Amino acid sequence: DIQMTQSPSNLSASVGDRVTITCRASQSISRWVAWYQQKPGKAPKFLIQKASSLETGVPSRFSGSGSGTEFTLTISSLQPDDFATYYCHQYHSYPWTFGRGTKVEIK
Amino acid sequence: QVQLVESGGGVVQPGRSLRLSCVASGFAFRNYGMHWVRQSPDKGLEWVATILYDGSDEKYADSVRGRFTISRDNSKNTLFLQMNSVRVEDTAVYYCAKIYSIPPTPIDYWGQGTLVTVSS
Repeated sequence: DIQMTQSPSNLSASVGDRVTITCRASQSISRWVAWYQQKPGKAPKFLIQKASSLETGVPSRFSGSGSGTEFTLTISSLQPDDFATYYCHQYHSYPWTFGRGTKVEIK
Repeated sequence: QVQLVESGGGVVQPGRSLRLSCVASGFAFRNYGMHWVRQSPDKGLEWVATILYDGSDEKYADSVRGRFTISRDNSKNTLFLQMNSVRVEDTAVYYCAKIYSIPPTPIDYWGQGTLVTVSS
């Protein structure tokens, strides 16, 4: 199985901060990575697919990059609505796997 | 808009069975592969199973293969997960999910989830 190691697991930041979350795959997965945002008690929300393609309606302050085994999600200027948990996900091969999440909290 | 509404969760004893359902609307269900993904505090998000748009192929996580069966009824826009011989470690919120496009493609929409608790 492909392991997705996400870091950090927790992150404290202020409104306006630039935030970067990293995900490392245990083997090369080309660019078959998606990112999701989840708020307490809610289902995950689709943000990015194919490492860097922003889903329609997702604010442009979100961006993704990477290929092979290293991937990042960046929020250029953190907004109050962005405090949530973020997950990376590989869909290169089955079984699909997810990172353990990064909880972004208010400093 | 896309809606996925799960039902069928609840408390079940180890070794018993449970059937989850997911009714889809707002898109052409018959044209999309579907997934079940579960989430628990211990294991986080865990992919469970997938079924092709026409039901002709299925794939399972090792942890559920041989115990769970994914199926669909395209005439009723409904996805199912038959859970047999459940274990304590199957306790989780179960999400029904739709794929974004033609594979390889991730999930774009998730249901609200249904909680399954396995306990004696």
